[in-house]
Amino acid sequence: KAGVTQTPRYLIKTRGQQVTLSCSPISGHRSVSWYQQTPGQGLQFLFEYFSETQRNKGNFPGRFSGRQFSNSRSEMNVSTLELGDSALYLCASSLASGRDTGELFFGEGSRLTVL
Amino acid sequence: DAKTTQPPSMDCAEGRAANLPCNHSTISGNEYVYWYRQIHSQGPQYIIHGLKNNETNEMASLIITEDRKSSTLILPHATLRDTAVYYCIVRKPGSARQLTFGSGTQLTVLP
Repeated sequence: KAGVTQTPRYLIKTRGQQVTLSCSPISGHRSVSWYQQTPGQGLQFLFEYFSETQRNKGNFPGRFSGRQFSNSRSEMNVSTLELGDSALYLCASSLASGRDTGELFFGEGSRLTVL
Repeated sequence: DAKTTQPPSMDCAEGRAANLPCNHSTISGNEYVYWYRQIHSQGPQYIIHGLKNNETNEMASLIITEDRKSSTLILPHATLRDTAVYYCIVRKPGSARQLTFGSGTQLTVLP
């Protein structure tokens, strides 16, 4: 069974640009969550999507947005990049059915560097 | 959500059992204990979770005290590839996706 796939794995952008990251969840998983990880702040929750709807949102500015498609694949977008947006962006999928007890399965992440 | 406390670092000899403690004295009745680990520069990996009974899977065992105020993750035969930061999280399943990691325990398995 294929795991969670994130693309691209590495990317470099400059301040003011925008970036789109992609995540394909494990087959059959309906929930996709996004996280930002930095050395200073640790892992922080960005948002969760389920059935193409944003279900929960963390405490990030509106420059961070996302969406989910009918096949459960998800994208997140960061506009007007700032130096502080440099981070590892992680996607996780979960079953989110009645049998779901909350475990998350993470991708390898997309490492964004903003210059 | 309940706060967890873990030692910042631990060492373990290769082939021996690694016992990683976690205190969660404010845990509520419907909160689960989840363990994840993260090898440097990789995505976090789910290990195991439990509510009140001890749990075992192919990766590890989870021992939860009867009062549920602490737990121990056991890696029965640690290998060098188990060197990672281990995170203990307490959550209700419905909010388990709104995950934040604290500082965790850096486990170093020594040859």
